[in-house]
Amino acid sequence: KQEVTQIPAALSVPEGENLVLNCSFTDSAIYNLQWFRQDPGKGLTSLLLIQSSQREQTSGRLNASLDKSSGRSTLYIAASQPGDSATYLCAVNFNKFYFGSGTKLNVKP
Amino acid sequence: KAGVTQTPRYLIKTRGQQVTLSCSPISGHRSVSWYQQTPGQGLQFLFEYFSETQRNKGNFPGRFSGRQFSNSRSEMNVSTLELGDSALYLCASSLSLDYNEQFFGPGTRLTVL
Repeated sequence: KQEVTQIPAALSVPEGENLVLNCSFTDSAIYNLQWFRQDPGKGLTSLLLIQSSQREQTSGRLNASLDKSSGRSTLYIAASQPGDSATYLCAVNFNKFYFGSGTKLNVKP
Repeated sequence: KAGVTQTPRYLIKTRGQQVTLSCSPISGHRSVSWYQQTPGQGLQFLFEYFSETQRNKGNFPGRFSGRQFSNSRSEMNVSTLELGDSALYLCASSLSLDYNEQFFGPGTRLTVL
């Protein structure tokens, strides 16, 4: 059974810090992996999509990496801001998407 | 370009009733997926439709069903509602099966009393 795990479950950091969110999955046969953010009571906002043939993707202050052989992806957020506070979800596509339980990020001013 | 829209946004039903939720994908997107989100189980995949055909299905009972129309709009139906069906139901659309970056709608909050 495919499983997706996100560590840590919650993270609180002061504004300006660089931080790393982790996502691990049990099967290396993935099609792609997508990172999302979710604000309370809202839908999901797509941040980055990494295809299985790629090693990383970047968008602004965000960088996501993918290591299929070790079953890991990391989301790096540079110079964090209070507006980055949200829950970050990793979704792995094993022919259908499996979601991790998310990392709840709080960036303190 | 308009995003994914879902209607209604909020719904209150009683046990035993049935409900239909609607999702309109981004223009040009042909794939629609549905998810259930609860505090206890997180986000769980319900089903995916592409070109009016169900392509994939999650591990939910037969009370949960869906369909997709020729204009790619999709509906999901839950019959004989149970208290445990209370959840945020999210719809996501993607361009195709080959490039399937998912874009989510705001969700429908279903409360079953």
